[in-house]
Amino acid sequence: GAVVSQHPSRVICKSGTSVKIECRSLDFQATTMFWYRQFPKKSLMLMATSNEGSKATYEQGVEKDKFLINHASLTLSTLTVTSAHPEDSSFYICSARIQGNEAFFGQGTRLTVV
Amino acid sequence: AQSVTQLDSHVSVSEGTPVLLRCNYSSSYSPSLFWYVQHPNKGLQLLLKYTSAATLVKGINGFEAEFKKSETSFHLTKPSAHMSDAAEYFCVVSLPAGTYKYIFGTGTRLKVLA
Repeated sequence: GAVVSQHPSRVICKSGTSVKIECRSLDFQATTMFWYRQFPKKSLMLMATSNEGSKATYEQGVEKDKFLINHASLTLSTLTVTSAHPEDSSFYICSARIQGNEAFFGQGTRLTVV
Repeated sequence: AQSVTQLDSHVSVSEGTPVLLRCNYSSSYSPSLFWYVQHPNKGLQLLLKYTSAATLVKGINGFEAEFKKSETSFHLTKPSAHMSDAAEYFCVVSLPAGTYKYIFGTGTRLKVLA
């Protein structure tokens, strides 16, 4: 099946710094990628939808200046958490979809801001 | 509006006994429904999906689910639980074709007792 790779799997950063998370579709071209956030023992909440070559569409309540999304190619989307704070600590998961098919999920990134 | 409700936040079964994880959905459209499994600190793995074909859907690892429109349900079952089935399970409804936004249920944590 289709493989989506997310990097890094874990990251610890200091408060006030920025962190970039990469999401790559390894064996297919993804027209659309999605970014989710999962709080401890909670479900996944969609943060934004990114389409290659265009601006991301953010869900209500998600700060676009805080969570910068770039989808520069059909195989790579990045999420940058800017000026991270402890409350940004969470599990972030990306997914990518092939046109007309279901989405495939990355392994997730555990972000801890200290 | 689309939504999905997982009726049990925790389910415990003994190894070798049947598993039932309940899911009810609400959708204005003919829905696409999925079950995903998440092991600790891991990404999501697709167990099975319903996309308006056969109402009884067979998935991986012996899981299956039945789509019942009259009951708006899509319960996940397995005849005999294995220790390796212990994980978090998410029922997901997909928004209408063309968006592939996923709405996640709150999750059910399955515990398998030896």
